[in-house]
Amino acid sequence: RKEVEQDPGPFNVPEGATVAFNCTYSNSASQSFFWYRQDCRKEPKLLMSVYSSGNEDGRFTAQLNRASQYISLLIRDSKLSDSATYLCVVNPRSSNTGKLIFGQGTTLQVKP
Amino acid sequence: DAMVIQNPRYQVTQFGKPVTLSCSQTLNHNVMYWYQQKSSQAPKLLFHYYDKDFNNEADTPDNFQSRRPNTSFCFLDIRSPGLGDAAMYLCATSRVGGPGTDTQYFGPGTRLTVL
Repeated sequence: RKEVEQDPGPFNVPEGATVAFNCTYSNSASQSFFWYRQDCRKEPKLLMSVYSSGNEDGRFTAQLNRASQYISLLIRDSKLSDSATYLCVVNPRSSNTGKLIFGQGTTLQVKP
Repeated sequence: DAMVIQNPRYQVTQFGKPVTLSCSQTLNHNVMYWYQQKSSQAPKLLFHYYDKDFNNEADTPDNFQSRRPNTSFCFLDIRSPGLGDAAMYLCATSRVGGPGTDTQYFGPGTRLTVL
């Protein structure tokens, strides 16, 4: 079992749609969680950090369920510019050097 | 602006010809990471430096080496590039042990082509 698992998609949605991605992690001791966004041939950029039960930033909401060991990302009112790959990232706390574990990413394509 | 800088952005090398990729940061972060990312795959951690302490991933080939001469700079050396080493190489930094701990900030990457 991979340490961080995501549905690779692609998710093809129309503009204005609401879309949700899930991510599961295997290490129950994991303490911090992130969603990164990566555009084609670009570097990953931090979208949201998820440190407690979840948080919201505009159209984006991240939820954390420790009991079931998954985090989710909800995007409301999708824009064409939201098309990207969304990486679920977890700090497993197996080391104290800030090492993160990346999921393989979920690809979102928003269509007009 | 504080940032992570990688040079060059594009590197073409020949099979077996050594190549060095560089990364610099103005964030004063204590940890620097090197990742390899191939198409449609997640970034794969090669190694990282926590201050001067080098941490190698178990499955990183010996062909890959790294140097961190000071806090701001880190280098990735590929001693004998093979065709399978063609990829995007990403440098990232983080401040471990303080506010915002864990968050990694990435440079724009160096895309390596091996001919």
